[in-house]
Amino acid sequence: ETGVTQTPRHLVMGMTNKKSLKCEQHLGHNAMYWYKQSAKKPLELMFVYNFKEQTENNSVPSRFSPECPNSSHLFLHLHTLQPEDSALYLCASSQEGLTTGELFFGEGSRLTVL
Amino acid sequence: GQNIDQPTEMTATEGAIVQINCTYQTSGFNGLFWYQQHAGEAPTFLSYNVLDGLEEKGRFSSFLSRSKGYSYLLLKELQMKDSASYLCAVSDSNYQLIWGAGTKLIIKP
Repeated sequence: ETGVTQTPRHLVMGMTNKKSLKCEQHLGHNAMYWYKQSAKKPLELMFVYNFKEQTENNSVPSRFSPECPNSSHLFLHLHTLQPEDSALYLCASSQEGLTTGELFFGEGSRLTVL
Repeated sequence: GQNIDQPTEMTATEGAIVQINCTYQTSGFNGLFWYQQHAGEAPTFLSYNVLDGLEEKGRFSSFLSRSKGYSYLLLKELQMKDSASYLCAVSDSNYQLIWGAGTKLIIKP
């Protein structure tokens, strides 16, 4: 099993759809993250969960809703998205919070909003 | 504001050496990271520098100068598989990671 697994790898949705992205980590880490990656732009941190508690929400629109049922699973629920939300959504984990440095990323979910 | 600058794209020849620069302006400093990201794949950790100087790891080396707000990633004996994007990130005073936009490295035969 790879360290951090994301599903689906590709998703196309209309602006009125509701969908969810799933992330699972098999590394025994306690912190999990959602990042947005757009072409030629820096990674944008969206949400951070540390020991299942949300510790960071970087002014993300409410059409993105995270869920962390346990320290191994992280979801990103999507509804009424806009075309500008089309991007690669990366999940990552780390041993604890960002103080410990190294992040382990999944391969991402490529989202296209029509 | 906080800012990380790195070149958008670089081209180098197989077998050669390339240096990818990263300059930063952040609120505090708790280390600088380099990640490699092949197209369609996950970013993977390459190096971490928190003290000035050069850290060598096989064909890859990373240098840091905190006084200059500057780092570089040096890749030697380039191979085609080194074609990827290289991401620079700085941990600020709150241990938030500030990311550069990445440098796309193209290796030509």
